[in-house]
Amino acid sequence: EAGVAQSPRYKIIEKRQSVAFWCNPISGHATLYWYQQILGQGPKLLIQFQNNGVVDDSQLPKDRFSAERLKGVDSTLKIQPAKLEDSAVYLCASSLDSLGDEQYFGPGTRLTVT
Amino acid sequence: AQKVTQAQTEISVVEKEDVTLDCVYETRDTTYYLFWYKQPPSGELVFLIRRNSFDEQNEISGRYSWNFQKSTSSFNFTITASQVVDSAVYFCALSESYGGSQGNLIFGKGTKLSVKP
Repeated sequence: EAGVAQSPRYKIIEKRQSVAFWCNPISGHATLYWYQQILGQGPKLLIQFQNNGVVDDSQLPKDRFSAERLKGVDSTLKIQPAKLEDSAVYLCASSLDSLGDEQYFGPGTRLTVT
Repeated sequence: AQKVTQAQTEISVVEKEDVTLDCVYETRDTTYYLFWYKQPPSGELVFLIRRNSFDEQNEISGRYSWNFQKSTSSFNFTITASQVVDSAVYFCALSESYGGSQGNLIFGKGTKLSVKP
């Protein structure tokens, strides 16, 4: 079974530029999550989708971050414009359902904003 | 408020030593789940175990064992006879059913384990 796929793996941009990350979850997984992991910290949830609907985006900085999951499968996370403090690893995870199910993580996208 | 505390920032042991990673959590929910994940230097988070709040049985899987105690809100992880391949950052995480945050994981800051040969 294929795991969670993410691209790109690395991205370097200048502040105020825009960037987009892509995630393809495990086939059949209804729930998709985007987490931000700053160096030395645990991942923090940005947004959670159940199929193609948003369940929780309370910690998403909506003035600059946006995400969509069209057709309830793959998802895109965008940052526009980027700030220096957005430098982090962006992790995508998926699970069969939501509460209590283990989440499977992709390899992440390491973003550096200069 | 929900919170996960991993007080040990870094631990260094010599191969074959036993090591215990501590995890203390806070929640006002009665139904919740606890997880441990491993993050090796490659960066990908690997699922290790899940426990629900109604199951306090300890679990053993090979060299790994977990001790869940609701009375002290702790979910500790022990590696017996550690190996160099166990070197990684280990995260404890909490998932609640309270409010709208169903399913998302609240992570601790992680414990970096270094196992030296």
